[in-house]
Amino acid sequence: AQSVTQPDIHITVSEGASLELRCNYSYGATPYLFWYVQSPGQGLQLLLKYFSGDTLVQGIKGFEAEFKRSQSSFNLRKPSVHWSDAAEYFCAVGAKGGGADGLTFGKGTHLIIQP
Amino acid sequence: DAGVTQSPTHLIKTRGQQVTLRCSPKSGHDTVSWYQQALGQGPQFIFQYYEEEERQRGNFPDRFSGHQFPNYSSELNVNALLLGDSALYLCASSFDRGLYGYTFGSGTRLTVV
Repeated sequence: AQSVTQPDIHITVSEGASLELRCNYSYGATPYLFWYVQSPGQGLQLLLKYFSGDTLVQGIKGFEAEFKRSQSSFNLRKPSVHWSDAAEYFCAVGAKGGGADGLTFGKGTHLIIQP
Repeated sequence: DAGVTQSPTHLIKTRGQQVTLRCSPKSGHDTVSWYQQALGQGPQFIFQYYEEEERQRGNFPDRFSGHQFPNYSSELNVNALLLGDSALYLCASSFDRGLYGYTFGSGTRLTVV
């Protein structure tokens, strides 16, 4: 069965500092990988996705993620965080090419930005 | 270009009642998936509708049912509501069952009292 692990429940970062959020997945085939962000009481906004090709993926709001097949990881990074980045971040895995199984999400990482 | 639209935004129901949530997919999308997000948790896949049929179901009882209409919009129905059904219900639309990814709506917050 597919699964996603986000080891850090909470992360606190100072404004302007760099950020890395960890994501490890378990999937039996070639995965589609996603990072979503959720503000309190809101839906999910797609930050970036990896389908194939270049393993370093650029997303919106200055975020990037690197797919490492050997480590089954898809970590999210940002060189300099802003106070507006405070939110819940979810990593998700799905079947390559879509499919009816939907996405499997991690439990999320809550990002706190210190002034 | 409208994104995914869900209604209502908030709902309060009593234990044992039935509820219907609605979703209009993003223009050009033909597939709708439903997710349940309990407080402090990641979303969990309920089921997916494509070509007006349920294609796959997650680990949810048959109290949860759905429908997709010819215009690709969808409804999620939950019968015999339990307190544990209180959650944010998210609709995600996609093209061809997720071929290029998924767009999520803002969700319906259901509270069962």
